[in-house]
Amino acid sequence: SYVLTQPPSVSVAPGQTARITCGGNNIGSKSVHWYQQKPGQAPVLVVYDDSDRPSGIPERFSGSNSGNTATLTISRVEAGDEADYYCQVWDSSSDRGVFGGGTKLTVL
Amino acid sequence: EVQLVESGGGLVKPGGSLRLSCAASGFTFSSYSMNWVRQAPGKGLEWVSSISSSSSYIYYADSVKGRFTISRDNAKNSLYLQMNSLRAEDTAVYYCARERGAARLFDYWGQGTLVTVSS
Repeated sequence: SYVLTQPPSVSVAPGQTARITCGGNNIGSKSVHWYQQKPGQAPVLVVYDDSDRPSGIPERFSGSNSGNTATLTISRVEAGDEADYYCQVWDSSSDRGVFGGGTKLTVL
Repeated sequence: EVQLVESGGGLVKPGGSLRLSCAASGFTFSSYSMNWVRQAPGKGLEWVSSISSSSSYIYYADSVKGRFTISRDNAKNSLYLQMNSLRAEDTAVYYCARERGAARLFDYWGQGTLVTVSS
């Protein structure tokens, strides 16, 4: 089965740039989606199809995907960005949804 | 406004059954595939099951295959998850999520319903 690997945690100071990676075998050939989840809340889609943003999501959120790594980049990080972030793909070879293990973003 | 509201969670003994429901509104339910995603306490997201708009295509995670059954009633704008032979490891918040696009992303989520499997 397809596996997505994320770092458990990332820390960044306010105003700096946070980069959260999502590793997978040839993930560059798949469409990657990113979700933000704050404590006690449902996940929210923040980036889809590698680099597109849903309406209402700030331009500070961006994504890229190449080779074996997809990256969610959050520029000018704010305290309100502190949350868990999950990457997701659909594994068409097995017809399964797949999530990464999640990354806790801490704003110092 | 798209709304997804789950219900049916609760406390159940190991080996027991439970049926979750998800009431959808604010969009043409019959045009979208729907999914169930769960999250064990303090853990990450786990995809559980998917059903296509007309129920023609149904998929399950290996961890629930043979025990859970996903279904939908487009006339009632509702999604269901019948859970049988429940185990302690099925304890989680269960979310219904609308699926969108060929890349199969989840663009709207419900608030979740908690299922606790314990004796």
